[in-house]
Amino acid sequence: DARVTQTPRDKVTEMGQEVTMRCQPILGHNTVFWYRQTMMQGLELLAYFRNRAPLDDSGMPKDRFSAEMPDATLATLKIQPSEPRDSAVYFCASGLGTSSSYNEQFFGPGTRLTVL
Amino acid sequence: AQKVTQAQTEISVVEKEDVTLDCVYETRDTTYYLFWYKQPPSGELVFLIRRNSFDEQNEISGRYSWNFQKSTSSFNFTITASQVVDSAVYFCALRDSGAGSYQLTFGKGTKLSVIP
Repeated sequence: DARVTQTPRDKVTEMGQEVTMRCQPILGHNTVFWYRQTMMQGLELLAYFRNRAPLDDSGMPKDRFSAEMPDATLATLKIQPSEPRDSAVYFCASGLGTSSSYNEQFFGPGTRLTVL
Repeated sequence: AQKVTQAQTEISVVEKEDVTLDCVYETRDTTYYLFWYKQPPSGELVFLIRRNSFDEQNEISGRYSWNFQKSTSSFNFTITASQVVDSAVYFCALRDSGAGSYQLTFGKGTKLSVIP
């Protein structure tokens, strides 16, 4: 049963520290998404990749957030320096998309980030 | 701009009652995709259904059914004979078919509580 995996599942850190979240997409999926979920804003798209290339990161605060895909099996989301307002659940999702068709996104279990 | 509205923030029903979750969407595209996801208390997002704009047939899957009405831009979700395990937050989402566009626009979600 193929699943998206995310590590860590929970992270508590202090303001100013660097945080790195990792995601392993489902093997064969070529699109990877990062979302943030908060009570106030709901689910927000931060960035997404297709075939490892970043397509859109307009939802991300550029000064402190960065997203990369070093290879097809790993996506990372980094926050440096972290701030209390970054506290949220961060979801990674993957899917199989082409220019002419699109399938559903499958979500990982999320990383619950708490910045003190 | 795309928009998804789930007007019902919270719903409570007694077990075995039927319940309908509303979803209204806005898009300028003639081709688009609609989705429903379930987020149980454990936190993961579970894909339930995808529907494209050309397919207006309603769908039934066990106790779940979906009513797509293009004329009213609605994609409502009904659970028949609800069970406690149906308690979750349910999200409706929209994706257009623009070239290179893979992102989903989510509604704010409807929290369903099924009381035994």
